[in-house]
Amino acid sequence: LAKTTQPISMDSYEGQEVNITCSHNNIATNDYITWYQQFPSQGPRFIIQGYKTKVTNEVASLFIPADRKSSTLSLPRVSLSDTAVYYCLVGDISDQTGANNLFFGTGTRLTVIP
Amino acid sequence: EAGVAQSPRYKIIEKRQSVAFWCNPISGHATLYWYQQILGQGPKLLIQFQNNGVVDDSQLPKDRFSAERLKGVDSTLKIQPAKLEDSAVYLCASSLTPSGVYEQYFGPGTRLTVT
Repeated sequence: LAKTTQPISMDSYEGQEVNITCSHNNIATNDYITWYQQFPSQGPRFIIQGYKTKVTNEVASLFIPADRKSSTLSLPRVSLSDTAVYYCLVGDISDQTGANNLFFGTGTRLTVIP
Repeated sequence: EAGVAQSPRYKIIEKRQSVAFWCNPISGHATLYWYQQILGQGPKLLIQFQNNGVVDDSQLPKDRFSAERLKGVDSTLKIQPAKLEDSAVYLCASSLTPSGVYEQYFGPGTRLTVT
């Protein structure tokens, strides 16, 4: 199981782009990188998932360098409603047992300031 | 599409009492997870079901926690007897595939306070 390291907290002003980096030095060949968002009093919500290079969807982009030892979640033009905890997970989505792939860590608490 | 349903949303009990939580996953999702989230920490997996069977319960304190998923749909998580350190939010999630990091859909959680 690849361990991940993220900053504990980040602050950003409204309208800015926010980049949250996750380190996963022991990532395995079959591992994918997945990010979740969690608002207070709610369960986590899937944001984005990728294997290499860049993935973009309607809410975020995920940048993964060639060595895959880190990844960066990019949130464009954040608003107050983006204040949440963001979790980076690494695991093998082809592993049909699913066991031991479910480690959320403490995440990064993003605070968006008006 | 209806989301993952959980009940109750809040529960306060005294230590040594028992409590049960209920979860109804998204229709068609064969995999169901129960997590424990202590304040300030990320969710910790307690147990994972694939249909009726248990895939992983390595972090479930089996001396006091039990879970079942009858007929491969709804699930209940029980704590008996409860301890003060069991105070947490209990999250249920479901997914289409059994793989751990595939997209999981979470319910709103049950906040348990043990006094």
